[in-house]
Amino acid sequence: ILNVEQSPQSLHVQEGDSTNFTCSFPSSNFYALHWYRWETAKSPEALFVMTLNGDEKKKGRISATLNTKEGYSYLYIKGSQPEDSATYLCAPFYSNYQLIWGAGTKLIIKP
Amino acid sequence: GAGVSQSPSNKVTEKGKDVELRCDPISGHTALYWYRQSLGQGLEFLIYFQGNSAPDKSGLPSDRFSAERTGGSVSTLTIQRTQQEDSAVYLCASSLNNSPLHFGNGTRLTVT
Repeated sequence: ILNVEQSPQSLHVQEGDSTNFTCSFPSSNFYALHWYRWETAKSPEALFVMTLNGDEKKKGRISATLNTKEGYSYLYIKGSQPEDSATYLCAPFYSNYQLIWGAGTKLIIKP
Repeated sequence: GAGVSQSPSNKVTEKGKDVELRCDPISGHTALYWYRQSLGQGLEFLIYFQGNSAPDKSGLPSDRFSAERTGGSVSTLTIQRTQQEDSAVYLCASSLNNSPLHFGNGTRLTVT
């Protein structure tokens, strides 16, 4: 059974502060890593797909890095804003077409 | 269409009735997933279709649940003899190979 761990489970951050959280996953047969943002009462929305070791992707104030050898990825948010409040999900995709979801990190931005 | 379309958006049904939920994926997407989100919970995997391969049904919670995907496009999730614990938002997503999943807006199912 493939286990994907995201930490922390939840996080309260003051508006304007920067933050980061982690996704750990089994690296055997790894193919790609997906990050999604899931706002309350909406559907998950893709942020990044990363495949190569050392990949770094950026979208506005949000960026992510990937280490495929040790099986982890970090998501960074710079200068948090209230609209960043959401649950952030990671999901590694494996060569047998399995997509395994983490339980998510719930981020709450305090104004 | 531009995105994944799900219908109906809301469904209220009586306990014991059968329901059908429909998903119209993005044209050309070979992979189609069904998930559900019960109140306060995360994403629960139900079933996955990939091209012409046999579907991965490992997430279906009971034999009251079934799904099909006709012609590699539209998918229908059927729940027979609905129970109150089936109340949830049912999400469909499609993708091409390892590209990001595109989710529909979901069907909110309420079993009374």
